[in-house]
This record gives sequence, C-alpha cells and structure tokens, in this order.
Amino acid sequence: DTEVTQTPKHLVMGMTNKKSLKCEQHMGHRAMYWYKQKAKKPPELMFVYSYEKLSINESVPSRFSPECPNSSLLNLHLHALQPEDSALYLCASSQPPAYYNSPLHFGNGTRLTVT
Amino acid sequence: GIQVEQSPPDLILQEGANSTLRCNFSDSVNNLQWFHQNPWGQLINLFYIPSGTKQNGRLSATTVATERYSLLYISSSQTTDSGVYFCAVEHTNAGKSTFGDGTTLTVKP
Repeated sequence: DTEVTQTPKHLVMGMTNKKSLKCEQHMGHRAMYWYKQKAKKPPELMFVYSYEKLSINESVPSRFSPECPNSSLLNLHLHALQPEDSALYLCASSQPPAYYNSPLHFGNGTRLTVT
Repeated sequence: GIQVEQSPPDLILQEGANSTLRCNFSDSVNNLQWFHQNPWGQLINLFYIPSGTKQNGRLSATTVATERYSLLYISSSQTTDSGVYFCAVEHTNAGKSTFGDGTTLTVKP
C-alpha cells in the first residue's frame, strides 16, 4: 500500500468547473510536491511546499492553485482548465530538499480529463 | 538547469534475460533515485542512490557521482518488470528533482 494517498483516482471535469485534488501523507515528511505527467513523458514538477510554505512554483498557470493546510495535506484547486491540462497528476512527499537522505515517495495519482 | 539523459529509450527483452539501464547527468547532485512506473501509472521507488552500489533482489544500482552517471541492472527479467524506468536527480541546492525521459522496458514471455 502506498503511504501517500491521492483522491480521487479519476476525475472528469468541464472547462467551467471548479474541482480539487487531494493528497495526504503520514510519513512525517515536511516537503510535498505536485507533478504533472502527460502520456509517454516524464513527470514535470509544478509546485513544491517546504514546511507548509510554497517554495517553488514552476511558472504554472493561475488556473492551478495549490494549498498546504498542514504538514500532512496538500490540495490542488482547479478552475477554468483547458483540454490540454488533461494528464496524470502526481503528489509526492519527502524530507525537505537538500536534506540528507530525502527520497521522493509518490501517490498513485489522479487521472484528470478535461472536456 | 541540470540535464538528465537515459539510455536506451526502449528495450525489448525475452523473459530471463539481463539488462543494464543508464542515467547520465550534467552536474553535481544531492540525490539520485530510480523509479519504475507500471502500466497503471504507479511510480515505485526502486533505489535512493546518490553514490555507491545497492542491491534489492534481482535489481541493483550503482552511481558514480564523480563521473556523473548511474546504472540500473535487472537480472533474470520477468514480464512484471515491464514498464518505464525513470532516473530522477536533485541538483545540488536546486531544491527539486529533475526526471530523465525514461527507458521503456518490455519483457516478453
């Protein structure tokens, strides 16, 4: 069983909808990440939270809005998405970057389809 | 930013064969991980290996940080080994990991 849990597993939404992706970890990690993965491509980093503060935003469009309510939870709020935003969205956690021995642990992802 | 190159891009093996996957990176790194992504999209952590050699069953990995490469060895391959193998590196002081493009492995029965 994965130690990073993502919900929902699948999501279909229209371009005018507002939805949220959720991620939870109970590994005591203090860094959490959102990655986006298109078919046959590697995961691409979107956001990094370190100690519940946004530390990296990889120039992601504002229709994606991350939130880290506490050290165990990470949300990604979606609004006015485009069909090209359809992808697998992966959450990961680790000890903060540059910390000794800080492997990434991934959830199973949310497969998002925008219609 | 750091460049991560994986080779080969595709590999087809007969069950029982051995293989070596390579990851080259262009600068110094804090850490390096190998992942296996199965057909359902799950990214499984295989090795956390910024340097040295590790073994886990039929899999082993070696990273030579001074020469900026890592190798993943798969012995006696099984059909369940099929999927995409990614190398991800955290560039020193970058605060984030960068993935290579992956090696797609197909093991035929």
